[in-house]
Amino acid sequence: AQSVTQLDSQVPVFEEAPVELRCNYSSSVSVYLFWYVQYPNQGLQLLLKYLSGSTLVKGINGFEAEFNKSQTSFHLRKPSVHISDTAEYFCAVSDGAGNKLVFGAGTILRVKS
Amino acid sequence: DAMVIQNPRYQVTQFGKPVTLSCSQTLNHNVMYWYQQKSSQAPKLLFHYYDKDFNNEADTPDNFQSRRPNTSFCFLDIRSPGLGDAAMYLCATSRATAGNSPLHFGNGTRLTVT
Repeated sequence: AQSVTQLDSQVPVFEEAPVELRCNYSSSVSVYLFWYVQYPNQGLQLLLKYLSGSTLVKGINGFEAEFNKSQTSFHLRKPSVHISDTAEYFCAVSDGAGNKLVFGAGTILRVKS
Repeated sequence: DAMVIQNPRYQVTQFGKPVTLSCSQTLNHNVMYWYQQKSSQAPKLLFHYYDKDFNNEADTPDNFQSRRPNTSFCFLDIRSPGLGDAAMYLCATSRATAGNSPLHFGNGTRLTVT
């Protein structure tokens, strides 16, 4: 079965600084990777997804992620964060073998002014 | 806008008193999911419907049931809520169960058990 590890439970960062949220997954023949964002008391919203093709994926709100097969990673990045990016971010993985979507434990991004 | 709508946003029930949470979608997706999310944890899949085909997760307690009367609506019934069932309940949809089909979430119902 797939597994996902989000290495940081919380990431504090100052406004306008760059940020990277780390995600590693267990290997599979073919994987589909997702980042979701959850604002307080709301559901999850899809930020971006990797299904195939270019390893650099751009999403909403200026976020991007890079699929690295050799390192089994899918880290999320933003070059300059805003206060409004404060939220919890979930990495998730599924595969072409019919296994269900598996979420990581989440990373809370706290943007400080 | 096509969306997933959950009602109510906040629900308070008493210990042991049955409660029903509802979810509707205008996306016309085949699959509807119910997740339970406790504080500072990842969402945990309870079950899903592919069309009318019900799929229960092995570790979902019998206390949790679901109904999908039509494509648009899905309900989560908690027959006898315990204090440990207090959580955010998230409904989600997807076009298919294939791994490359992203989930679309509602805003959730936060359940409090007193």
